Amino acid sequence: ETGVTQTPRHLVMGMTNKKSLKCEQHLGHNAMYWYKQSAKKPLELMFVYNFKEQTENNSVPSRFSPECPNSSHLFLHLHTLQPEDSALYLCASSQGPTSNNEQFFGPGTRLTVL
Amino acid sequence: QKEVEQDPGPLSVPEGAIVSLNCTYSNSAFQYFMWYRQYSRKGPELLMYTYSSGNKEDGRFTAQVDKSSKYISLFIRDSQPSDSATYLCAMSGGAQKLVFGQGTRLTINP
Repeated sequence: ETGVTQTPRHLVMGMTNKKSLKCEQHLGHNAMYWYKQSAKKPLELMFVYNFKEQTENNSVPSRFSPECPNSSHLFLHLHTLQPEDSALYLCASSQGPTSNNEQFFGPGTRLTVL
Repeated sequence: QKEVEQDPGPLSVPEGAIVSLNCTYSNSAFQYFMWYRQYSRKGPELLMYTYSSGNKEDGRFTAQVDKSSKYISLFIRDSQPSDSATYLCAMSGGAQKLVFGQGTRLTINP
């Protein structure tokens, strides 16, 4: 595997379900990100992790819970979501907080909340 | 007013044409400017990266930044059908928080 991988690629869940999105980067980076991409809206930054520590939470509702066990893996735990949470969730990585901000993206997880 | 404005299009041009894509922004602290290309059902991929004002060329692609006007552009020469994608501008002030434009959907017609 190369670059940034995400699983699953597609997910359909009910509002009462609990599910998790997984991201793995194979680039040796130290920073990882979650973004939300909704139709006709710009990418929205959700969370930033540097060296496994969360450094940014962009006012994300608590029904989204990130976890970063090490610099290569990032999870997004989902529970009691709303239909308006349906979107493409993108993971990205970069060298770190002192990098020149080149962020490399995974293919995304297309989430549908029924 | 949005921090970054980008015309969503769609933009449709014939093969071989020169394409011009643009973004304007309001935050004078932005120093890093990027263009990402996103194919359907894929994540964005970094296409061009520029620091501060000036031009940068890479093959058929040229990125321009005019900080005095708060305006950035991406030019695609000799456009190909494979260039059909959504192009996203992004920028930051040096921190890790990128601010994206809405994206312009581009179609190159054979």
